[in-house]
Amino acid sequence: DIQMTQSPSSLSASVGDRVTITCRASQSISSYLNWYQQIPGKAPKLLIYAASSLQSGVPSRFSGSGSGTDFTLTIRSLQPEDFATYYCQQSYSTPYTFGQGTKLEIK
Amino acid sequence: EVQLVQSGAEVRKPGESLRISCKGSGYSFTSYWIIWVRQMPGKGLEWMGRIDPSDSYTNYSPSFQGHVTISADKSISTAYLQWSSLKASDTAMYYCARLGQSRDGYNFDYWGQGTLVTVSS
Repeated sequence: DIQMTQSPSSLSASVGDRVTITCRASQSISSYLNWYQQIPGKAPKLLIYAASSLQSGVPSRFSGSGSGTDFTLTIRSLQPEDFATYYCQQSYSTPYTFGQGTKLEIK
Repeated sequence: EVQLVQSGAEVRKPGESLRISCKGSGYSFTSYWIIWVRQMPGKGLEWMGRIDPSDSYTNYSPSFQGHVTISADKSISTAYLQWSSLKASDTAMYYCARLGQSRDGYNFDYWGQGTLVTVSS
């Protein structure tokens, strides 16, 4: 199985800040990497697919980059509704594994 | 509008069986695989397996192979996740999602609202 490791596991930030979350794969996965946002008590929501493509309806302050084994999710100018847990997920091969999650909290 | 609507919360005793459902609408149900994801209390997301509703071909994560069964009834656009003998450790929220496809791989583009399964004596 491909292991996905996110860092940090948790992060405190303020409204208006820029934050970056990192995801590393245990082997090269090309650009087969997706990012999801999960608000407590809600289902996950697709934010970024294929490493850098913004899902329809997702605000442009979210962006993704990377290829191979190292990827980043950047949120520019944090809004109150962005405080949530973020997961990366590889679709290079089954089982489609997730990172352990990064909890973004209000400072 | 694409929607996946899951069945309601369930409470069962250890050893009992259970089947939960996920009904798709607003798209061609047989054109997209359905996947299932487990989220144990306070924990992260785990991919369990997938099914092609057009022919019911399934693919499981090794962690779940033999412990659950994924099935589908394309005539009613519904996928299922079932257990023959539940354990307390099966207590979790279970999500279904549609497996979308892009130029670079697959993604889970639409999700059900989740079904909470509680297993307790």
